[in-house]
Amino acid sequence: DADVTQTPRNRITKTGKRIMLECSQTKGHDRMYWYRQDPGLGLRLIYYSFDVKDINKGEISDGYSVSRQAQAKFSLSLESAIPNQTALYFCATSDSRQLANYGYTFGSGTRLTVV
Amino acid sequence: AQTVTQSQPEMSVQEAETVTLSCTYDTSENNYYLFWYKQPPSRQMILVIRQEAYKQQNATENRFSVNFQKAAKSFSLKISDSQLGDTAMYFCAFIPKGTYKYIFGTGTRLKVLA
Repeated sequence: DADVTQTPRNRITKTGKRIMLECSQTKGHDRMYWYRQDPGLGLRLIYYSFDVKDINKGEISDGYSVSRQAQAKFSLSLESAIPNQTALYFCATSDSRQLANYGYTFGSGTRLTVV
Repeated sequence: AQTVTQSQPEMSVQEAETVTLSCTYDTSENNYYLFWYKQPPSRQMILVIRQEAYKQQNATENRFSVNFQKAAKSFSLKISDSQLGDTAMYFCAFIPKGTYKYIFGTGTRLKVLA
């Protein structure tokens, strides 16, 4: 099994719908992140969490919310999806003591299309 | 603001040849870490190589090596003996020591030609 699992892998949804992307990890890492990837823009941080009770906004949090249900689970919600939220979404984890040595562990991404 | 610039959106190289991907960054920090990630068509983000800013010696991982020029704030990736499996998007990223967040470049799409 993958260390960081994202579901679904692909999703098409309609404008205005609420959608949740899920992420779970078996690494035992304390930190979890949500990024979105757009062509020509690289990866941009949406939200991050240092532990269950510590959730922080990233640079592009508008239109998104998150929930850290447990140390191993971090979900991203789009309350009312819009077409410009069409992107590839990545969940990542890191160990706060080893970030510099090992970097992030990424999930395999969720490709979301809003029509 | 801290930024990472990858000035080559797309590149191609013949199989078995050598290619260099460029990356420059802007930061006022003195201690930081630099990374190159590979993203093949499978979408998975794979760590290729890392460099600690306080180390002058360039990092090497098999066919992958970096040319780290701290004064110039440059961190290029050299791929030797290119293979078809090297075809991917490559992202440069850095993280200041003691912080939590990668800053990514916009990526370079590399295609290895048979």
